[in-house]
Amino acid sequence: GAGVSQTPSNKVTEKGKYVELRCDPISGHTALYWYRQSLGQGPEFLIYFQGTGAADDSGLPNDRFFAVRPEGSVSTLKIQRTERGDSAVYLCASSFGQVGNTEAFFGQGTRLTVV
Amino acid sequence: DAKTTQPNSMESNEEEPVHLPCNHSTISGTDYIHWYRQLPSQGPEYVIHGLTSNVNNRMASLAIAEDRKSSTLILHRATLRDAAVYYCIPHGSSNTGKLIFGQGTTLQVKP
Repeated sequence: GAGVSQTPSNKVTEKGKYVELRCDPISGHTALYWYRQSLGQGPEFLIYFQGTGAADDSGLPNDRFFAVRPEGSVSTLKIQRTERGDSAVYLCASSFGQVGNTEAFFGQGTRLTVV
Repeated sequence: DAKTTQPNSMESNEEEPVHLPCNHSTISGTDYIHWYRQLPSQGPEYVIHGLTSNVNNRMASLAIAEDRKSSTLILHRATLRDAAVYYCIPHGSSNTGKLIFGQGTTLQVKP
């Protein structure tokens, strides 16, 4: 079956612009995660959804970052007034079942470049 | 959140076994121990997880210490395709279910 799909795969935007990154999780997966990864670093947690609600958004760096999952499937990560420091690979993952005792499936990521 | 300590890098020869250690001395009693790996230019990939008993799957084996303060990921015969960054992650309700990645261990496999 289809895995986790992220679009676009690459996004170049100008400083100050607004961007939306989309994640299509595996069908039926209740948990959805967003991460960002800078070169040479491990993925940095941003936000985690269980169903439609954000179970933990403690990783969002500031109020320019926002994520939604209105119907409990597709999620959109929104970044306002982008800055050059936002340039990174943004990863999405999904999982099903009991917290801890289930594997997460990751997408290939969206590479965001702010110029 | 439970903290983990892994060596920054390790080397192995192709077709030899590899033992990747992880220290997680502050792990909660209900947290599972997960391992993921990330190949170059790819998203992370699940490898294996366990709670208390040792676990085996087609990719690897996971040996968990009796006190659960450490674990070892075992690749029985390393291939060039196993060259990746390997992450050990305590995962469970103690950290609200989120996966927290550290720096991981970069495994180099030599032909």
